[in-house]
Amino acid sequence: GENVEQHPSTLSVQEGDSAVIKCTYSDSASNYFPWYKQELGKRPQLIIDIRSNVGEKKDQRIAVTLNKTAKHFSLHITETQPEDSAVYFCAAFLSGGYQKVTFGIGTKLQVIP
Amino acid sequence: KAGVTQTPRYLIKTRGQQVTLSCSPISGHRSVSWYQQTPGQGLQFLFEYFSETQRNKGNFPGRFSGRQFSNSRSEMNVSTLELGDSALYLCASKVNTEAFFGQGTRLTVV
Repeated sequence: GENVEQHPSTLSVQEGDSAVIKCTYSDSASNYFPWYKQELGKRPQLIIDIRSNVGEKKDQRIAVTLNKTAKHFSLHITETQPEDSAVYFCAAFLSGGYQKVTFGIGTKLQVIP
Repeated sequence: KAGVTQTPRYLIKTRGQQVTLSCSPISGHRSVSWYQQTPGQGLQFLFEYFSETQRNKGNFPGRFSGRQFSNSRSEMNVSTLELGDSALYLCASKVNTEAFFGQGTRLTVV
């Protein structure tokens, strides 16, 4: 089955700096890679996603890159703000006859004002 | 449009008991997945239901079971509770690829 490794598990950055979270996956058939943000006490919410036919996607201060050959994808947050503090989960999604999602273990990001 | 609703929000059970959690998906969503979230293990997939059929299953013991009704509402049951079952249980409903999570049920086993 699919295995998703995510690192680092915790990350502290100064406000205004950039943060990068990396994930690797094992199943080359995975074709959809969402990122979820979970603030303390709240539900995970989709913040950005990328499909296997795209190498990079940006949405304001957030970007995701995908390297299919190396089977890894990364979340980049620029100009971090205190409200970016949360746990971020990456996921690898295999869609086809049936769909299966495997999540990474999560990265706790702390943005220090 | 109402979001994914999970009940109850909090639950305290004793070892050996059984528990049933409920999840009402977003209207029109036919896929419901269940996840166990613990601090050390992240989000672990339990199972997915689609049109009343279990479509996928994670690596959890048979004590964990679920079902889905014709209105897409889903229930998850855990029998013979163990201390290690204490966790936040999240369900997510999905259409196409995006999963929408509920607030979760916080289960504490004492």
